[in-house]
Amino acid sequence: DQQVKQNSPSLSVQEGRISILNCDYTNSMFDYFLWYKKYPAEGPTFLISISSIKDKNEDGRFTVFLNKSAKHLSLHIVPSQPGDSAVYFCAAEGGNTPLVFGKGTRLSVIA
Amino acid sequence: EADIYQTPRYLVIGTGKKITLECSQTMGHDKMYWYQQDPGMELHLIHYSYGVNSTEKGDLSSESTVSRIRTEHFPLTLESARPSHTSQYLCASSERGFRETQYFGPGTRLLVL
Repeated sequence: DQQVKQNSPSLSVQEGRISILNCDYTNSMFDYFLWYKKYPAEGPTFLISISSIKDKNEDGRFTVFLNKSAKHLSLHIVPSQPGDSAVYFCAAEGGNTPLVFGKGTRLSVIA
Repeated sequence: EADIYQTPRYLVIGTGKKITLECSQTMGHDKMYWYQQDPGMELHLIHYSYGVNSTEKGDLSSESTVSRIRTEHFPLTLESARPSHTSQYLCASSERGFRETQYFGPGTRLLVL
């Protein structure tokens, strides 16, 4: 049973607009959440993280929102750029559970 | 950010061969990890280590083995490669501590014929 779910396999957004990538989790012990970005034939690159004691963390164009009651987090990219086109993985850990990844969402930013 | 290296980047090999995938990091990280990832799927943890002479199996059953004789080096060995081992293998490392971010190498894409 998947503990971290990214229900949208793909997303297309126009350059300059906002990209919103969503992630849901089921394990209430998760207390640390991360987003990674992955280009083909490369390893994932760390983007941004958030601890469960916060509900928002911002780093430049990237903002992660955490809704603990809904067990949901989202990554906002504003403004979206063509170089943002990649697969984005949500990951979570907590308790004795090591890092668990979702299946990823492929973002395409159209110029 | 960690400097973490994996070799080879691509490998095509025949069934039954023994292979070793190399992973090295230069940041002195205590923790190291091996993941397996297929296209469109999540990363699955297959092995991890919290320090020298420490190795553990992850949540994905794997026919591979690992060793951690030096802090910077965490090789993964397949004694007898099979077509089902075809995948991308990703190595990662992180500092000792609570909720430390993992940093990934470029990956090895393995094709077993």
